[in-house]
Amino acid sequence: QKEVEQNSGPLSVPEGAIASLNCTYSDRVSQSFFWYRQYSGKSPELIMSIYSNGDKEDGRFTAQLNKASQYVSLLIRDSQPSDSATYLCAVGNNDMRFGAGTRLTVKP
Amino acid sequence: DGGITQSPKYLFRKEGQNVTLSCEQNLNHDAMYWYRQDPGQGLRLIYYSQIVNDFQKGDIAEGYSVSREKKESFPLTVTSAQKNPTAFYLCASSIRAGMGLDTQYFGPGTRLTVL
Repeated sequence: QKEVEQNSGPLSVPEGAIASLNCTYSDRVSQSFFWYRQYSGKSPELIMSIYSNGDKEDGRFTAQLNKASQYVSLLIRDSQPSDSATYLCAVGNNDMRFGAGTRLTVKP
Repeated sequence: DGGITQSPKYLFRKEGQNVTLSCEQNLNHDAMYWYRQDPGQGLRLIYYSQIVNDFQKGDIAEGYSVSREKKESFPLTVTSAQKNPTAFYLCASSIRAGMGLDTQYFGPGTRLTVL
């Protein structure tokens, strides 16, 4: 069983729509959760971190964490073509584990 | 301008050669990491260092070596023992030494190709 699982996609949404990206993890005692965006050929850049159950909003991005269900998600509102990238979920406790990423395409 | 730099951006290695990838940070971060990324796979940890002159193996350390003589620098050597070294190599750092708790910030990466 993979430690951090993401749907590989591609996930395609029209411009202006909400994109929903999901991530599940196996280590029940994980304490920190991160979403990174990675453009093709580039390195990951941090979008958001979340540590407590519930929602955390930052501009067009909302991270949602449910530790009981071992689930973390990222919502992107008003999606733009510039949001087209691969989104990596990372889960931390004693170490950091990364999912393989979900490729998002936002069509104009 | 604070950040993490990696060099070179592209590196080509012949069979049997050792090559060294550079990673420097001026963020005053204690911890530094090396990851490998292959197409369609998540980042896999090669080595990490929580403090100068100390480092630990990650999940895929075989065929790699590192040093941490200065806080700012964490070079990675890909040895000839690494059988499939073609990949995208990412260096990262975090403020504190708690590996899984702090945000990790990434350098721009080095793409290594074996000829």
